[in-house]
Amino acid sequence: NAGVTQTPKFRVLKTGQSMTLLCAQDMNHEYMYWYRQDPGMGLRLIHYSVGEGTTAKGEVPDGYNVSRLKKQNFLLGLESAAPSQTSVYFCASGAGLAANEQFFGPGTRLTVL
Amino acid sequence: GQNIDQPTEMTATEGAIVQINCTYQTSGFNGLFWYQQHAGEAPTFLSYNVLDGLEEKGRFSSFLSRSKGYSYLLLKELQMKDSASYLCAGLDSNYQLIWGAGTKLIIKP
Repeated sequence: NAGVTQTPKFRVLKTGQSMTLLCAQDMNHEYMYWYRQDPGMGLRLIHYSVGEGTTAKGEVPDGYNVSRLKKQNFLLGLESAAPSQTSVYFCASGAGLAANEQFFGPGTRLTVL
Repeated sequence: GQNIDQPTEMTATEGAIVQINCTYQTSGFNGLFWYQQHAGEAPTFLSYNVLDGLEEKGRFSSFLSRSKGYSYLLLKELQMKDSASYLCAGLDSNYQLIWGAGTKLIIKP
């Protein structure tokens, strides 16, 4: 089992460009999450999904969109990248809400110039 | 507001014991998680506490006091590979994780 995978691992964008980050999991988890991690701050939830075809906003959703067309995939889109979106992005999946741990992908390091 | 506080950095000696503290304020409470994150890598799950008391798992133990809004992670017999950041996260009433900024643990030989 690959667990949670993310592509790409690194990306440099210019302000205003768009891109999509892909997350895939092979654990048949219902819940999937996109976080960003910035120095000196905790992980912040961008968007999440509680099942195929569903998405919901997290703590910092502005400037991002997501889609969950297939249970195993969760896509994060940046329509018009800004320097403030320079960050490390982590995707995670989990079996449920409460005591279930989240499994994280290796992260995508994004720089917006 | 919701908040998780933990020290920014701690230093300990190989073979020793270290306690990493975490205080939390969340809207409702559905448990407290600890994750380990090595530099440049993804967080990995260490422990989950929802009831008061100590949960032991090998060299690592986690404690929770709900009345005090307090948790700690205890690492025994420290090894160099324990050098990492330790993330405390509270699960709020909406079952969303509120994350602390992490404690960077430096182990010296």
